[in-house]
Amino acid sequence: DGGITQSPKYLFRKEGQNVTLSCEQNLNHDAMYWYRQDPGQGLRLIYYSQIVNDFQKGDIAEGYSVSREKKESFPLTVTSAQKNPTAFYLCASSVERDYEQYFGPGTRLTVT
Amino acid sequence: AQSVAQPEDQVNVAEGNPLTVKCTYSVSGNPYLFWYVQYPNRGLQFLLKYITGDNLVKGSYGFEAEFNKSQTSFHLKKPSALVSDSALYFCAVRIRGFKTIFGAGTRLFVKA
Repeated sequence: DGGITQSPKYLFRKEGQNVTLSCEQNLNHDAMYWYRQDPGQGLRLIYYSQIVNDFQKGDIAEGYSVSREKKESFPLTVTSAQKNPTAFYLCASSVERDYEQYFGPGTRLTVT
Repeated sequence: AQSVAQPEDQVNVAEGNPLTVKCTYSVSGNPYLFWYVQYPNRGLQFLLKYITGDNLVKGSYGFEAEFNKSQTSFHLKKPSALVSDSALYFCAVRIRGFKTIFGAGTRLFVKA
């Protein structure tokens, strides 16, 4: 069963703590992405990676970090520097020949 | 600036009636255009895309979209709406490399 998995589905953290969101894909896609979704704002790109060991900042990278040590994995760390981390986070992947992106089920992060 | 606009926050339609969800874009060069659908607390699902060729594109679940270069639009349509079509719809445009920008989303409500 191919696809993208994100874990956990819901995550709760105290302010000041770093937290890492998992994203794994078995689609053999080269490119992976992290988006943040807030009500009424659509999706905003945090980071993306075209190949292993390489990634670029998106539009709202401040307070976030990523790694891409394996093709199938692209974890996102939300650091304590992120001023408003409560949001729905979506991971996606794509292959160049198709252009469209395939999304995971998302992680809802709540920071109090 | 390159952008995607979905002018309607919500579209209401009766079951069995045709539906249209509007999208306009502003990008340089030839656009790669997409529609995605999101059900509550889920990731986005790809519906259809326009890359080149016929201006009328057919996609999943009976949806289609018409690319209009002169009006820079890519409206999503379906001849007969179902209650199960009720969801959040996103228009997106790929602007360079692997980067895609998304509209703010339009909530479709189909009444039985």
